Formats: sequence, structure tokens, C-alpha cells
Amino acid sequence: KQEVTQIPAALSVPEGENLVLNCSFTDSAIYNLQWFRQDPGKGLTSLLLIQSSQREQTSGRLNASLDKSSGRSTLYIAASQPGDSATYLCAVQRAWGGTASKLTFGTGTRLQVTL
Amino acid sequence: NAGVTQTPKFQVLKTGQSMTLQCAQDMNHEYMSWYRQDPGMGLRLIHYSVGAGITDQGEVPNGYNVSRSTTEDFPLRLLSAAPSQTSVYFCASSRGTSGRETQYFGPGTRLLVL
Repeated sequence: KQEVTQIPAALSVPEGENLVLNCSFTDSAIYNLQWFRQDPGKGLTSLLLIQSSQREQTSGRLNASLDKSSGRSTLYIAASQPGDSATYLCAVQRAWGGTASKLTFGTGTRLQVTL
Repeated sequence: NAGVTQTPKFQVLKTGQSMTLQCAQDMNHEYMSWYRQDPGMGLRLIHYSVGAGITDQGEVPNGYNVSRSTTEDFPLRLLSAAPSQTSVYFCASSRGTSGRETQYFGPGTRLLVL
């Protein structure tokens, strides 16, 4: 059974700092890995999707890497801003089709960026 | 595009009552799913659908029914609400399940069962 772990559970950093969020998964046979952002009381917003054949994806100040063999992904946030404060979730999709296409989520890292 | 919409935003039920959580998307997505989010447990898949007329169970389907009569709508029915169903429910959709499509989530429905 796939298990996804995110460490740390919570993180507080001063504005402007570069930071790394970690995600690990137990089964390396995945189709893709996605990083989501969730603001309090809101739904999830997809940030980056890395297919299993890719090593990294970039969007603005965000860079996500994927190492399937070691079962790890990192989300790098450059020059953090107070508006980045949210919970960040990673999720893996095991395969294509049916129940296998479901996302298995980690429990998230709650990030607070202070002034 | 409105994206994925969910109603109601918040609902209080008494044990044993039934209700339907509504989900709609206007992106012509084939794949739709329902998740519940509970503290410390992440999001867990309840039911999913790969197209109109096709539904199947996820990992926590007990106590819930779904139907998919149109591409746009995917309602989730609670048959007889129990306190264990107190949770935040999210509906999601994507164009397909090839592994290349982003999943889009609705804003969620907060359900409290007394």
C-alpha cells in the first residue's frame, strides 16, 4: 500500500528565505507526483505535476524535483513571501485507469512566512 | 469557466438523516472523484467516475452512493449520516487519467453530523 509522508508538518520562515519541502513515498512505481497548495477553508490548487519520466518541473519561484528510485520529491520555494503561507500537499498517482488513477496524499506541510 | 463547483459549503446533519452533496464542472472532464479530508489522515478517495454512466468505489466507499448521469455532474449521497462522516468533502475532476492531466478541486463542503 502506497504511503506518502511529508516532513516537516509545520514550518515557519522569515520573508525572503529560500525553503525546501519534502515528500517521500514508499512505492516507487508511480505515474506522476503532484504538489498542491491549500489555503485555510479552501480547496486544493495544483502547483506542479511531474510525470514519472521527468526529473523536475518549474513554475515561477517554485521548482519541484522527483527521484523515483529513492521515493522522494522536493518542492523548492525561492524568495518566500507572506502570500506563500498555506498548507502544501504532495500526492502520487500509481498508474493509469480505474482505482489505480486515484491520488494518494500526504498530510501536508503547513508553511507560515513571517514579515 | 467556473471550474469545479460544490454545494452546499457547510451543512449540519443529525445522525440518520440523508443528504446529497452536489458537484459540477464545466470543463468537459471525463474523470471525476470525491475525497474526504480528515485531520492527520490526508485526503482519501470515496468514489470516482471515468465518464457518464460509469462509477466505481474508492478506498472508503461505505455509507456513500454516487451516480453520473451527465458529464458535468457527480453528486455524492449520504444514505444515513453518522458522526464518523463529519469531514470536509472535496470533488475533483480531470480531463483523463493518463498521468499527464492536472486534477482540479472544488472549494469543499464542510459536513458536521451530530
